[in-house]
Amino acid sequence: EADIYQTPRYLVIGTGKKITLECSQTMGHDKMYWYQQDPGMELHLIHYSYGVNSTEKGDLSSESTVSRIRTEHFPLTLESARPSHTSQYLCASSDYKTDYGYTFGSGTRLTVV
Amino acid sequence: KNQVEQSPQSLIILEGKNCTLQCNYTVSPFSNLRWYKQDTGRGPVSLTIMTFSENTKSNGRYTATLDADTKQSSLHITASQLSDSASYICVVSDRGSTLGRLYFGRGTQLTVWP
Repeated sequence: EADIYQTPRYLVIGTGKKITLECSQTMGHDKMYWYQQDPGMELHLIHYSYGVNSTEKGDLSSESTVSRIRTEHFPLTLESARPSHTSQYLCASSDYKTDYGYTFGSGTRLTVV
Repeated sequence: KNQVEQSPQSLIILEGKNCTLQCNYTVSPFSNLRWYKQDTGRGPVSLTIMTFSENTKSNGRYTATLDADTKQSSLHITASQLSDSASYICVVSDRGSTLGRLYFGRGTQLTVWP
C-alpha cells in the first residue's frame, strides 16, 4: 500500500493557468522530493526539503515553487503553466528509518495545451 | 562526471524465460545501489538495495549483484511473468554530501510476452 499520495493523477490544463500538485505522506518522513520525468528519460530532481520550512532547488531548473508548512505535505505550484511543463511529476520521501530509501508516489501526469 | 548507464535500453522476452539487466556507474564516492521497478504511469518501487560490501541480494525472483571494483551491477529476473513488464531503474547514491545524492539511470524497459 502506498503511504505517499499524489493528486491529481492526470491533469490537462490550458497555458497560463496556475496549478498546484499535491503530495502527502503518512510515514512521518523528514525528507521529501519532487522529480520530473519525461518518457524514456531519467528522473531529474527539481525540489527537495529536509523538513518543515526547509526547501531547496534541485539539479534541474524549474519554474515551479514548493512549500513545506507541515511535515506530511509538500505541494508544488506552477504560477503560469506552459506546454514546456508537460511531464510526469513524481513526489518521494525518505527517512533514516528506511536507510533513506525513497518511497515514491504514483505521480501526476501533467499536460499543458 | 557521475553517471549511471543501463543496458539494454529495452528488452522483450517470453513468459517463463530469464533475463539479466545491466547497470554501470561512475559515481564516486559510493554509498549504495538500488534497483527500482516502475510500472507504466506509476512511481518507482524499490526492489533491492546493495552496499559496498554486498555482492548478491535476492528478493523473490529478482537477484541483484554488485561488483564495486568494476562499478557494475546486474538484476537477474528468473521465470519471468507478464507482471514483470515494467521499466527497471538503477539508482546510485553517493556518500559525499549531506543530501546523499541519487543518480538515476534511464531504465531498461522490459516487456514480457505470453
